[in-house]
Parts: sequence; C-alpha cells; structure tokens
Amino acid sequence: EDQVTQSPEALRLQEGESSSLNCSYTVSGLRGLFWYRQDPGKGPEFLFTLYSAGEEKEKERLKATLTKKESFLHITAPKPEDSATYLCAVRDDKIIFGKGTRLHILP
Amino acid sequence: GAVVSQHPSWVICKSGTSVKIECRSLDFQATTMFWYRQFPKQSLMLMATSNEGSKATYEQGVEKDKFLINHASLTLSTLTVTSAHPEDSSFYICSVSRQGVNSPLHFGNGTRLTVT
Repeated sequence: EDQVTQSPEALRLQEGESSSLNCSYTVSGLRGLFWYRQDPGKGPEFLFTLYSAGEEKEKERLKATLTKKESFLHITAPKPEDSATYLCAVRDDKIIFGKGTRLHILP
Repeated sequence: GAVVSQHPSWVICKSGTSVKIECRSLDFQATTMFWYRQFPKQSLMLMATSNEGSKATYEQGVEKDKFLINHASLTLSTLTVTSAHPEDSSFYICSVSRQGVNSPLHFGNGTRLTVT
C-alpha cells in the first residue's frame, strides 16, 4: 500500500535555528514528490516538485531534497513568518498526502 | 496570483439542508478538478475527481448521492453537500492541475463547513 509519512508531527524552533522536516514514502512508481505550505484556514500553497533522486530545489530559506525513499525540507535561519504546516505529497497513480509537520518559529 | 478561486470561504448550515461550494480555475481551462476534505490535524483526503462534461469519479467510501459534483464548464466545478449532517462538518478544498501527467496540484483557499 502506498504511504507517505511525515516527521516530526510538530516542531518548535527559535528564530534563526535551522532544521529539517522529513517525508518518507513508499510508492510503486514515483511520478513526482510535492511540498506544500498550509496556513491555518487556508488551502495548501505549492512550494516545490521533485522528480528524481538527487534533485534539489530552493526557495528563499527553504531547500527540498529527494532520495529514493525520502525527501527533506531544510529550513535555514527561519523567521516567525515561516510558521505553518508543511505538507508532503507523492504522485503514483494518485496524489497521496502526508499528515504534515506543524512548524512554529518563536521570535 | 491565485490559480484557483473557491467560494464561499466558510458556511454554517442547519442539519438537513444542502450547501453548494464553487471552485473556479482562473489561469487555465481545467478538464479535471479534484475535491478534497481535511479534518483537523489530518491528511487531505481525496473525495472525488470532477471531469468536465462527464460524471465525477468518487473515491471508495464517498457517497456520490450525498456529495454531488457538477463540472459544467472548463473553469467551474461545484460540490453540493446534500442533506448535511454535523459529521459532514469539515474543510473542503478543491484543486486543479495543469496539463502534464506529473504537474502539481494548485489549491483553492478552502471552504469551512459547519453543520449545526
């Protein structure tokens, strides 16, 4: 059965404290791994697509990487405005979402 | 700018009534739109795939007679929750994907439905 598992469920960091969020997946044929940011009461906002192991994408303080079994979302020197839930999704025949990591950056 | 517009952003209705949620693709014509439901601290769960000009495809466990989907044009899909009950209270989100097998989904801002 295809699965997407994100860890940790929640993460509290001080402003400027870098860290990484993990997304582990098991799918028979990966056709894309997606990262989204979701603010409370809003729909997910698309961040990155990764297609193959070794691929990396960057946007401001975020960098996403991909291996054959997992993806990491690295956040460097985060700011309070980076607080949100970060969702990972993988596409096989369908798009399957993880439960997300709730990130809280303390000023 | 926004790719998808969803309306209303929130709605409160009484048990037994029906509620319609609209989803518009703003940037491109979408032959396919997707409806998701999200409970607090849970994954987005795909409810159905809306196909322009034909019947929607529902996921296992989703009642097609309760969640009516209409995709009458290339830019508009609607989800109607019929005879709503308190357990239907949830966050409903629509999404679209550009042409291209591996394109990401772009989401609307969701509709918070509360059934009293």
